[in-house]
Amino acid sequence: EIVMTQSPATLSVSPGERATLSCRASQSVSSNLAWYQQKPGQAPRLLIYSASTRATGIPARFSGSGSGTEFTLTISSLQSEDFAVYYCQHYNNWPPWTFGQGTKVEIK
Amino acid sequence: EVQLFESGGGLVQPGGSLRLSCAASGFTFTNHAMTWVRQAPGKGLEWVSTVSNSGGSTYYADSVKGRFTISRDNSKNTLYLEMSSLRAEDTAVYYCATGPYPSGSYNWFDFWGQGALVTVSS
Repeated sequence: EIVMTQSPATLSVSPGERATLSCRASQSVSSNLAWYQQKPGQAPRLLIYSASTRATGIPARFSGSGSGTEFTLTISSLQSEDFAVYYCQHYNNWPPWTFGQGTKVEIK
Repeated sequence: EVQLFESGGGLVQPGGSLRLSCAASGFTFTNHAMTWVRQAPGKGLEWVSTVSNSGGSTYYADSVKGRFTISRDNSKNTLYLEMSSLRAEDTAVYYCATGPYPSGSYNWFDFWGQGALVTVSS
C-alpha cells in the first residue's frame, strides 16, 4: 500500500499571502495525484488532478506541481474562502486509493 | 448538474447491518465507476470501496473486506453499500463519489455527495 504523507499538519497564513502545501508518496505514483479541499460540514471538492490540472471551475490561484513521490499544492494569494483542510490522494497502483492525512490552512 | 444523494445512514448496534444508497443524476451513470469514501469524526478521508460501471468489478479496503458489499443498479442510477458485522470503528460519514472513467482504473473523484452519517454504538 502506498502511504501519502502531507506536511505541515497545520499552516497559518494571512489573507493575501502564498500557501505551499506538500504531499509525499512512499513510492512513485507518477503524476496520478489529486488534491481536494474540504470545509467544515461539507464534502470534499476536487481541486487538481493529474498532479497539475485544475478541475472545472477552480480558480487560477490554485496550482499543483510535482511527479513521482513529491508534490506541491500552491495557493498564490489566500482568500477568506480558502481556509480549509486540503487532502492529497494517489490513484496509481490501486487498490487501495489512499489519501494523505490532510493539511489545515488556518488564518494567521 | 451532477448530483449525488446518499441515504440510509443512522444508528446501529455493534454487529448490526445497514444499507446505504446513493442516488445519482445529471450524468450518464453507466459510463462511470462509483466509489464510497468515509470520514470518521474529526479524522481524514478513507477509501472504502469502488465498483466499475457495469458492476462486474468491485474493490474493497482491507478494513471492510468480507463485511461490506458494494453494488449498483444501473436501471435506477443508484449505488449501494451493504454493511454488516458493523464495528464502532465503522462510525463515519460515508460519501459516494464518482470518477471520470468506467473501470475505476486511475480514477480521481470529481463529484461527491453530501454524505450519510453512520453511527455504530450500543
